Amino acid sequence: GDSVTQMEGPVTLSEEAFLTINCTYTATGYPSLFWYVQYPGEGLQLLLKATKADDKGSNKGFEATYRKETTSFHLEKGSVQVSDSAVYFCALSDHNNNDMRFGAGTRLTVKP
Amino acid sequence: ETGVTQTPRHLVMGMTNKKSLKCEQHLGHNAMYWYKQSAKKPLELMFVYNFKEQTENNSVPSRFSPECPNSSHLFLHLHTLQPEDSALYLCASSQGLAGSYEQYFGPGTRLTVT
Repeated sequence: GDSVTQMEGPVTLSEEAFLTINCTYTATGYPSLFWYVQYPGEGLQLLLKATKADDKGSNKGFEATYRKETTSFHLEKGSVQVSDSAVYFCALSDHNNNDMRFGAGTRLTVKP
Repeated sequence: ETGVTQTPRHLVMGMTNKKSLKCEQHLGHNAMYWYKQSAKKPLELMFVYNFKEQTENNSVPSRFSPECPNSSHLFLHLHTLQPEDSALYLCASSQGLAGSYEQYFGPGTRLTVT
């Protein structure tokens, strides 16, 4: 079945460092791909999404490109801030499922 | 504010109690979901409703009983829970069930079973 694998954390970076969180997927169809973020004490919030190959999703300085050839959707940010500290979830959804498949989550801590 | 509200935000209950969690979405969506989020475990889908009809029950124990009276409201009735049921319970909604529809999450109910 469809699944998502993302890099295990935790990830600790200094402010203004470059961030990459890897995400790869397995799907039989043509899924849409998402990154969600969960700040402490809150629910998940959609960060960005891409619905077809080569699409780039972007929001708040974060970017991810839908790479069909490598079945990947890596999250990147050029310069992280302390306020980016959160748990990040990669997810996919396609027409074969009644739900969304989430990765295990990657905890990011950014230190001043 | 995502347009999905959950009450209560925190709940402590004994193993013999009966309580209910409530979720309401103000987005005009047709599908609603319950998830369980435990420490150090992946997000677990529990139930899926589409147009008030349950479309998925992910092998959830019968001590969890969902109810969806309309497309805007979703309840999770709890009875005779176990300590291992302590977790963050998240409600979500989406325009449709599959494809490019993103899910919008509520803030969750932090449940502690004593």
